[in-house]
This record gives sequence, C-alpha cells and structure tokens, in this order.
Amino acid sequence: DQQVKQNSPSLSVQEGRISILNCDYTNSMFDYFLWYKKYPAEGPTFLISISSIKDKNEDGRFTVFLNKSAKHLSLHIVPSQPGDSAVYFCAASDRGSTLGRLYFGRGTQLTVWP
Amino acid sequence: EPEVTQTPSHQVTQMGQEVILRCVPISNHLYFYWYRQILGQKVEFLVSFYNNEISEKSEIFDDQFSVERPDGSNFTLKIRSTKLEDSAMYFCASSPGLAGVNEQFFGPGTRLTVL
Repeated sequence: DQQVKQNSPSLSVQEGRISILNCDYTNSMFDYFLWYKKYPAEGPTFLISISSIKDKNEDGRFTVFLNKSAKHLSLHIVPSQPGDSAVYFCAASDRGSTLGRLYFGRGTQLTVWP
Repeated sequence: EPEVTQTPSHQVTQMGQEVILRCVPISNHLYFYWYRQILGQKVEFLVSFYNNEISEKSEIFDDQFSVERPDGSNFTLKIRSTKLEDSAMYFCASSPGLAGVNEQFFGPGTRLTVL
C-alpha cells in the first residue's frame, strides 16, 4: 500500500529556520489530508489538516500547502524549535467512500538543533 | 483536555493466546478506530466502528480479530489466537464525527509482544 509516500526519512534543521516536510499521494479520491506528530512511546498527535477545496491552511507556526494537480502536500514549520523534534506523519482519507479510514505515510524524523 | 486512553501500555503473551486491548475514547466522540504499527513500518488501519457496528475493516482484520463497545465508555480489540506477526503497537483513535471534520485523536498505544 503506497498510496501516501513520504520520501525523506529524516530532516535536520537549525533552530529558528524553516522546516519543510513533504508528502505525495497517488489516490485522486483523497479529499482530506492531515499531519500528525509522534514522540517515542506516544500515540500520533494531530497537528493540522486541509480539505481538498483549499490549497493552504495555517495554524500558528504550522502551515500546510496542498497542490492537487501534483498530488503533493507539504508542512512548513516556522520558526522551528527543538521541541518540534519528532516523527511527522502525513495521512489522507477519502471521505466520500470511507468512514474516516486514514492512510499514513512512513513518516519523517525531524531533528531541530540549537 | 480530553484524551484517548489505552490499557495496558505493554502486553506480553504466548502465541495462540487470546488478548484484549482496551481503549476509552473521548467521551462525546462517535467514531472509533484501531490502527497498528509494526516496528519500522507504517501505521495501518484495522477497523472503524460507528453506531455499535463495524463500518469498515482492512484486509488485516481477519476472523481472529473482533471489536466491541461493551458499555458507554470502553472500546476493545480482541485477538482470538495471537500469532508472532501480531506483535506491534496498537493505537486506538476516536473522532467527533462532525460533518466535514475528520481529525482522529489517538491514544498512547499498547505494545503487544507475542512470544
């Protein structure tokens, strides 16, 4: 099942700079996209989401961009902080045919160094 | 802030034994889910549950698995006869079910180890 892909397993960014995490999907029926953050020994924590009718959604330091034609989304974190160091998962769902089933990418380990 | 809770945090069992993983979803949520993550792999959907019945299940969720909402607060996943390959982190999630909203809130997980 490769419907959601995160091709970068890791990303290292200096504190204060921008972190950009990328995600690609193949299923054109996906209409809702989410980003989760996960610390070791904890469950995924919801960060931000975007519907396919939008191309941008912002919440504080976090912005998600959606490019439907490219089937690509990205999460921008500005400015990055050491506490942002975690694994970030992209997830997608097709709300028209499933009751919220999420398809996850493999995750990107973000490390923010001082 | 309300949160999803799961017990136990770690379960060790012998192959062939039955296990029950327990979850308490957020109280006013209507949709409930189980996911699992085998070490080094993706988080995978197992099953969704709404209005006291299964809404959708994945190909992983075979006859060895069952879910139940025995009362107004608990949501359980039972594995009837565990296999080595069932060793994974199991996450419960819940969602409010508001129209157009699909955020799912996850519990901390139960680490299942099958020996």
